[in-house]
Amino acid sequence: SQQGEEDPQALSIQEGENATMNCSYKTSINNLQWYRQNSGRGLVHLILIRSNEREKHSGRLRVTLDTSKKSSSLLITASRAADTASYFCATQNNNAGNMLTFGGGTRLMVKP
Amino acid sequence: EADIYQTPRYLVIGTGKKITLECSQTMGHDKMYWYQQDPGMELHLIHYSYGVNSTEKGDLSSESTVSRIRTEHFPLTLESARPSHTSQYLCASSEQVADTEAFFGQGTRLTVV
Repeated sequence: SQQGEEDPQALSIQEGENATMNCSYKTSINNLQWYRQNSGRGLVHLILIRSNEREKHSGRLRVTLDTSKKSSSLLITASRAADTASYFCATQNNNAGNMLTFGGGTRLMVKP
Repeated sequence: EADIYQTPRYLVIGTGKKITLECSQTMGHDKMYWYQQDPGMELHLIHYSYGVNSTEKGDLSSESTVSRIRTEHFPLTLESARPSHTSQYLCASSEQVADTEAFFGQGTRLTVV
């Protein structure tokens, strides 16, 4: 079974608005990563947050991690039509061979 | 741009045929993975490798097999394709160290008719 569950499954917003996606997981982790996937393509790494970090920023991306609640959120500020894609969280546990376990993804549509 | 390549990008093949999906990376990564993904759905790990001569089955049972004879090459083979194998197959690689990202290929969209 998948480690991560993402919420919402689909999100539709207007350009300029902020988009927030949430991810919950079940077991202990060493880090949590967010990836983006354009339709029919491979995944591209966006950001990695370690288990001892609470918040991380990269450009218009802001990621939070709450290990007590086993959850993370990805915020995309001032969204653009080009941000339209699916976004996946993935967890990594060094005690489990460092395998990346992915959630179900959030499909984001940003309307111009 | 990640240096990991999958061929073919698209493949339509008849039931019962043997197929091999190719994956190569030039980053010298020890770890490689195969994921299966239905359109718009989650990724399921079907095979992974820690390095040469290492292959392991993933969380999702798969009738495919893999080999890792060279560091850069991690092909996936289906001995007898069936319509239930229709899916997208994604190859990825990463360094062996902790807290590292994975690099993905563009995927192979397989359709078995």
